[in-house]
Amino acid sequence: EVQLVESGGGLVQPGGSLRLSCTASGFTFSSYWMHWVRQAPGKGLVWVSRINRDGFSIGYADSVKGRFTISRDSAKNTLYLQMNSLRTEDTALYYCARDIGTAESGLLYWGQGILVTVSS
Amino acid sequence: QSALTQPPSASGSPGQSVTISCTGTSSDVGGYDFVSWYQQHPGKAPKLLIYEVRKRPSGVPDRFSGSKSANTASLAVSGLQAEDEADYYCYSYAGSNKFVFGTGTKVTVL
Repeated sequence: EVQLVESGGGLVQPGGSLRLSCTASGFTFSSYWMHWVRQAPGKGLVWVSRINRDGFSIGYADSVKGRFTISRDSAKNTLYLQMNSLRTEDTALYYCARDIGTAESGLLYWGQGILVTVSS
Repeated sequence: QSALTQPPSASGSPGQSVTISCTGTSSDVGGYDFVSWYQQHPGKAPKLLIYEVRKRPSGVPDRFSGSKSANTASLAVSGLQAEDEADYYCYSYAGSNKFVFGTGTKVTVL
């Protein structure tokens, strides 16, 4: 059974940093592109970032580029999102997601999400 | 990187059909056959319903179907059931390693 479990969320002050982790199991982690998607309370889904199988092809939404860094460790089956210079508008539930098997086709598996709250 | 445009709401009676539109540009929806659709119930993670415009993952009923014309993609739900009441989002590849979601549509089963 495919499982994605996010961790590392919490309350942080504006300007602070946080690192999210997503531990994967039930599939060959190194064979799939991985994504982060966020959802502010009561709002819609927003794509945040994507990383390819070997970690060398990466994309970011304009709203987080230069502040967030996605990475992966295939030895630990773990996806990361380092979030720096956090703003109140970054407050959201952050999901990690795995693609369906083709890089741009869709997100088949999702974690349950981890809440990040940016507030003073 | 603007969100794709969806109607805020749609509704139908049990057994009826509802269609949700998703309008983008030639840089996203119109430029690639990489449109997917997601269903999200309150407090739950999204679920993939349709990928590559019209393909269904294993286990998704054929009541859900997708299509695309120019810069607009559509999701049709036929034979509406109570459990179809949820939020629905479209999602498209936008080139240059970027993606974009739609604004979301709340479907109500009357």
